[in-house]
Amino acid sequence: EVQLAESGGGLVQPGGSLRLSCAASGFTFNSYWMTWVRQAPGKGLEWVANIKQDGSEKHYVDSVKGRFTISRDNAKNSLYLQMNSLRAEDAAVYYCTRLSLNFWSGFDYWGQGALVTVSS
Amino acid sequence: SYELTQTPSVSVSPGQTASITCSGDKLGNRYTCWYQQKPGQSPLLVIHQDTNRPSGIPERFSGSNSGNTATLTISGTQAMDEADYYCQAWDSSTVIFGGGTKLTVL
Repeated sequence: EVQLAESGGGLVQPGGSLRLSCAASGFTFNSYWMTWVRQAPGKGLEWVANIKQDGSEKHYVDSVKGRFTISRDNAKNSLYLQMNSLRAEDAAVYYCTRLSLNFWSGFDYWGQGALVTVSS
Repeated sequence: SYELTQTPSVSVSPGQTASITCSGDKLGNRYTCWYQQKPGQSPLLVIHQDTNRPSGIPERFSGSNSGNTATLTISGTQAMDEADYYCQAWDSSTVIFGGGTKLTVL
């Protein structure tokens, strides 16, 4: 059974940093692109970043470029999101998602989400 | 940058057909996916590549995509289908989500 379990969320002050982790199981982790998607309270879904199977290619939404870094450790079946210089507008539930082997088939598995609160 | 536009809310009576639309410039030239999200839950993929249902998704869910509009159709809508629905497409290497449609079954 495919499972994605996020951790590392919490309360952080504006300008602070936080690192989210996602533990993957039930599938061959190093065969898939992985992605972070976030959802601000009461708002819609927003794609944040994705990373290729071997980590050689990464893409970010413009609003987080230069502040967030997506990474993975295939030996540990883990995905990460390092978030620096956090702003109030970064407050959201962050979902770890798996991109289907066929890109066009979308995000076929989602974690339960990690809540990030940015407040002083 | 590319944008996807969804009607914020749609209402449907039980047993009737619900149509949820997603608009974007020449959207028919891109593959579209649809996700269902119920309160307090993670999103669930219900349609991929415009028309395909993942395993386990009921047959009453179907999709189409042509011109500037993709459509998610729910035939014989049930109370359990009440949820937010999001369309999604690709813009080069980035992912675009529509703003979401709240489906109310009443």
